[in-house]
Amino acid sequence: AQSVTQLDSQVPVFEEAPVELRCNYSSSVSVYLFWYVQYPNQGLQLLLKYLSGSTLVESINGFEAEFNKSQTSFHLRKPSVHISDTAEYFCAVSRSNSNSGYALNFGKGTSLLVTP
Amino acid sequence: ETGVTQSPTHLIKTRGQQVTLRCSSQSGHNTVSWYQQALGQGPQFIFQYYREEENGRGNFPPRFSGLQFPNYSSELNVNALELDDSALYLCASRQGHTGELFFGEGSRLTVL
Repeated sequence: AQSVTQLDSQVPVFEEAPVELRCNYSSSVSVYLFWYVQYPNQGLQLLLKYLSGSTLVESINGFEAEFNKSQTSFHLRKPSVHISDTAEYFCAVSRSNSNSGYALNFGKGTSLLVTP
Repeated sequence: ETGVTQSPTHLIKTRGQQVTLRCSSQSGHNTVSWYQQALGQGPQFIFQYYREEENGRGNFPPRFSGLQFPNYSSELNVNALELDDSALYLCASRQGHTGELFFGEGSRLTVL
């Protein structure tokens, strides 16, 4: 089975500062990795994903994450955050070779709070 | 807007009752998954349906059951409700096995 550990439950940061949200995973098979964002009272939105190829993946709103197989990590970073980035962020992992489609295993989430 | 709609958005039940939650998938999506998100936790996979057949299940008891209809809409049924069933229930759909998952905004169930 695959599992995810998000090392920080809350991350407070000032506007325009850089941020890193940490994610480590555990799996005995090859995996896909995801970051989802959840704004208050809303469902989950895919932020970015690693399926294969380049280990550095980027989102359209300035976030990036790097797949590090040796450290089993997929940390999320942004060089300069905005107030609007305040949300709950979930790291998720799934098997990459399931014939029946893949189920996502989520971490417990990291609450990013951006203040002026 | 993800094109995935869920109903009802909120509901309150008492222990022992039964509940049905509904999900309308994004057009063209033939795979639907259900997740349970307890307060302060990440979502947990309940089960998945592909072309009306369950093809994956998480660690949930049989009193959690589901259906997928020919139009790919879906239901989640929970019998004999327990207090710990209080959670946000999320539906997600995608095309095939490997496409991006699109989540609805969820149905928040409170069991008293």
